[in-house]
Amino acid sequence: ETGVTQSPTHLIKTRGQQVTLRCSSQSGHNTVSWYQQALGQGPQFIFQYYREEENGRGNFPPRFSGLQFPNYSSELNVNALELDDSALYLCASSSQPGQAAYEQYFGPGTRLTVT
Amino acid sequence: AQRVTQPEKLLSVFKGAPVELKCNYSYSGSPELFWYVQYSRQRLQLLLRHISRESIKGFTADLNKGETSFHLKKPFAQEEDSAMYYCALSGRGNTDKLIFGTGTRLQVFP
Repeated sequence: ETGVTQSPTHLIKTRGQQVTLRCSSQSGHNTVSWYQQALGQGPQFIFQYYREEENGRGNFPPRFSGLQFPNYSSELNVNALELDDSALYLCASSSQPGQAAYEQYFGPGTRLTVT
Repeated sequence: AQRVTQPEKLLSVFKGAPVELKCNYSYSGSPELFWYVQYSRQRLQLLLRHISRESIKGFTADLNKGETSFHLKKPFAQEEDSAMYYCALSGRGNTDKLIFGTGTRLQVFP
């Protein structure tokens, strides 16, 4: 059983650019959630994907978008980057949405710096 | 408003001392409550959840609906307990999004 993986580990972008972050879910998991963790803060929910469809969204603007693929891996895309987008982006996978009994497994995160 | 509050950014204790990490929540309904932990250079991982009523690594947490609290407790802290602890809640719906607090760093000195 492999855990949640994310790529890249870190990257630096310039304000106004676009970025794509990737996540491979844990084997057997069909649900992926994305979180943004700013420095000194707890993770904030961006959105969740279940069977390739968005299944809930947090308070983030439309320039944050995502995809989930048939193998349940996922991408987070951010357009028109702003300085405040600098954060650690976490991906978490689980085997069933809406069931708190199903543990969410987190990846190591991608550190994004916007200059 | 849905919110999780962890009033302490840092909690420092000596080995063998009791530990209590505070967590209060605001949620209209019956949420599920969790504690997540992040050890140095490791990923965020689930420590315990209130529905399981379990003790993990000597830690327990009781949901107090009257006080809307879910404090994490351990009677005798160990050095290996030093980590970042996050309290989180999830609503009962079709998504299991987690709402996290800002976290408390626990330092256990020898």
